[in-house]
Amino acid sequence: GAVVSQHPSWVICKSGTSVKIECRSLDFQATTMFWYRQFPKQSLMLMATSNEGSKATYEQGVEKDKFLINHASLTLSTLTVTSAHPEDSSFYICSARDKRTGRDTQYFGPGTRLLVL
Amino acid sequence: AQRVTQPEKLLSVFKGAPVELKCNYSYSGSPELFWYVQYSRQRLQLLLRHISRESIKGFTADLNKGETSFHLKKPFAQEEDSAMYYCALNTNAGKSTFGDGTTLTVKP
Repeated sequence: GAVVSQHPSWVICKSGTSVKIECRSLDFQATTMFWYRQFPKQSLMLMATSNEGSKATYEQGVEKDKFLINHASLTLSTLTVTSAHPEDSSFYICSARDKRTGRDTQYFGPGTRLLVL
Repeated sequence: AQRVTQPEKLLSVFKGAPVELKCNYSYSGSPELFWYVQYSRQRLQLLLRHISRESIKGFTADLNKGETSFHLKKPFAQEEDSAMYYCALNTNAGKSTFGDGTTLTVKP
């Protein structure tokens, strides 16, 4: 149980276009989902916390108009990278917290690799 | 602000040798500490958490509040333990801060 999927697993796009990444909890309800960014050989950097039915909370330095997050249901959160530029190329990982088990249990998606040309 | 430090980026041991991956943290509140593991080409997954006080795959970690540490230990390393290990801290607000990770290589 407790599987989180991400789609797509990788995407290549042209500079200036927008890219949407989906994060789904497949067999549990997630009141909270997190979006992370990981640079090569570096740690995960929390970008934002997504709560179902409310606005996302962004970490300092993360542009909310650049990285749009929508958490429309208890099993789906989306991250849209708007007007993507090469510096947005990265590995994006989502995680979901199981509503039943509370604040300490996060399950991670496999990640989405974004390359902006 | 909270911070997690993993001083070793790379750690290499021989099979059967003891291994210790270091983790230190700073946080003014009551922390929840975790170890996550990422095997090659796989997603990040939870290895263990300090509140469970359990041993997973032979690994243990003890929270030492005096030294603000949560080192991960295993008495006899196996080749399949080779992976990237991340120490993470959850704040009272439920946000996670990760260390930079340690790549463990267990040589035959």
